[in-house]
Amino acid sequence: EIVMTQSPVILSVSPGERATLSCRASQSVSSNLAWYQQKVGQAPRLLIYGASTRASGIPARFSGSGSGTEFTLTISSLQSEDFAVYYCQQYDNWPRFGQGTKVEIK
Amino acid sequence: EVQLVESGGGLVQPGRSLRLSCKVSGFTFDDYAMHWVRQAPGKGLEWVAGISWNGESRGYADSVKGRFTISRDNAKDYAKNSLYLQMNSLRHEDTAWYYCAKGTTGWYRGAFDIWGQGTMLTVSS
Repeated sequence: EIVMTQSPVILSVSPGERATLSCRASQSVSSNLAWYQQKVGQAPRLLIYGASTRASGIPARFSGSGSGTEFTLTISSLQSEDFAVYYCQQYDNWPRFGQGTKVEIK
Repeated sequence: EVQLVESGGGLVQPGRSLRLSCKVSGFTFDDYAMHWVRQAPGKGLEWVAGISWNGESRGYADSVKGRFTISRDNAKDYAKNSLYLQMNSLRHEDTAWYYCAKGTTGWYRGAFDIWGQGTMLTVSS
């Protein structure tokens, strides 16, 4: 079983600042990695797939990078609507999610 | 419009059974894998089960293997295209919001690009 570990658990950021979220896989998942955003009371929304491809309608301030076991989601300039929980997910094998990173207002 | 609408959640006693449904519309259902993902109150996302585009391959999380069964109806009548999750021997720890999600490929090697709004299951005596 591939274990996904996200860091930090909570990230405090001021609006307009850059946010960097990390995700590590216990073994290589190649580029089979996605990022999701979930706001309170809502279903998750796909942001990034293939480690670095933005999903349809996702603003350019969201970018993903990495391959193998180390991945990063970067939000270049946080907007008010970006404060949420972010999950990484590998789909190289049976899908597994990380535990999530909560991005909160500093 | 692409849409996934779950139903069937509710309150059920431990040990009982329940079937969740997910009605889909707006895309060619039998081109894509489908999945169930759950989220216990205040917790993270857990993949529960997935089924390939043609229903011939299925996968389950260890936590539900042998108790849950995923299935799909690739009906020629698109209005009937649906995904199901039969849940038996329910436990307190199965309490969660259950989401159906569309895969981006025909089997498990794909992200989940469309999600339903979820249906809540509470297992309690």
